[in-house]
Amino acid sequence: GENVEQHPSTLSVQEGDSAVIKCTYSDSASNYFPWYKQELGKGPQLIIDIRSNVGEKKDQRIAVTLNKTAKHFSLHITETQPEDSAVYFCAASIRINDMRFGAGTRLTVKP
Amino acid sequence: EAGVAQSPRYKIIEKRQSVAFWCNPISGHATLYWYQQILGQGPKLLIQFQNNGVVDDSQLPKDRFSAERLKGVDSTLKIQPAKLEDSAVYLCASSPRDVGEAFFGQGTRLTVV
Repeated sequence: GENVEQHPSTLSVQEGDSAVIKCTYSDSASNYFPWYKQELGKGPQLIIDIRSNVGEKKDQRIAVTLNKTAKHFSLHITETQPEDSAVYFCAASIRINDMRFGAGTRLTVKP
Repeated sequence: EAGVAQSPRYKIIEKRQSVAFWCNPISGHATLYWYQQILGQGPKLLIQFQNNGVVDDSQLPKDRFSAERLKGVDSTLKIQPAKLEDSAVYLCASSPRDVGEAFFGQGTRLTVV
């Protein structure tokens, strides 16, 4: 089955700096790669996703890149703000019932 | 559009007791999932329903966990008897189909003492 590894486990940046979180996956058949943001006491919320037929996707300050050959994908947050502080999870799947999540990255943005 | 509703938000029980969680998915979403999220880890799928039928329960500990979605809408997840290692957040999610985005509820935080 799919195995997803996520790094780093914690990340602290100054407000305005960029943050990068990286994930690798094992199953080359995976074709859907979502990123979820989870704030304290809340469920995960999708912030951006990418499919295997696309190499990069951007939505305002958030971007995701995918390297299918190397089987890794990354989340990039530019101009970070304190409200970006949360735990971020990557995931990889073909169908949702085989979606495997990374262990999460706790991002802290210092004002 | 209303999101996925879960109750209760918090539950504390003693080991060997039973507990039940309730989930009401987004209206019209045929697919419903229950996940277990242990502190410091990503969510792990327990069971997937398509309408009122089970699609995948391969990771559900069937000796103590059970789930149902009788009318193809809301769902309940039960643990009987609970163990200390069941302490976790139980997340319900739904989606209009079995690919693409899953929408999560706020979860039920279970503490077994």
